[in-house]
Amino acid sequence: EVQVVESGGGLVQPGGSLKLSCAASGFTFSGSAMHWVRQASGKGLEWVGRIRSKANGYATAYAASVKGRFTISRDDSKNTAYLQMNSLKTEDTAVYYCSRQGLGRGVDYWGQGTLVTVSS
Amino acid sequence: DIVLTQSPGTLSLSPGEGATLSCRASQSISSNYLAWYQHKPGQAPKLLIYAASTRATGIPDRFSGSGSGTDFTLTISRLEPEDFAVYYCQQYGSSPEWTFGQGTKVEIK
Repeated sequence: EVQVVESGGGLVQPGGSLKLSCAASGFTFSGSAMHWVRQASGKGLEWVGRIRSKANGYATAYAASVKGRFTISRDDSKNTAYLQMNSLKTEDTAVYYCSRQGLGRGVDYWGQGTLVTVSS
Repeated sequence: DIVLTQSPGTLSLSPGEGATLSCRASQSISSNYLAWYQHKPGQAPKLLIYAASTRATGIPDRFSGSGSGTDFTLTISRLEPEDFAVYYCQQYGSSPEWTFGQGTKVEIK
């Protein structure tokens, strides 16, 4: 059974940092690109970024709204992806979802999400 | 970046009725890499359709996708009570950035 579980969310002050983790199981994690998507309260889904597999050079890409502040990484030995968030703004408050990219299928498995609240 | 525009914003329908949701792209989507997701409050989004018209594993055949280029449609033939949710289209043909539409809410009339 495929499982994707996010953790690390919480309350952080504006300008602060937070690191989210995404633990995956039930599929070949090392061969999969992993994505982060967020949803602010009352808003739609927003793609945050992705990291490709080792075979694809661990290439990363980010939405313009987070580029330069957020960094996605992965540890294939732990089947875990990470989202390092720096210089956080109130508008980064959202539920953050981790998801697996399927072959030619968009993202086919999602976690339940972890809430990040940026507030003073 | 490709902008996806979904319409209508809200559909008010009764169980048993059919639903037609539209997704229009600002430019042609490569390889028709367009997906549809269903999202309910407090749950993870669920992949329904990928590559514009292929149902994901376990998705009932009342859900169907069509379209190509810049115009895509999700059709739900007969709404079941569990189908009332928000639906998003997403393009994944334009690298490196992916984008979502703003969503269509299907609510009970």
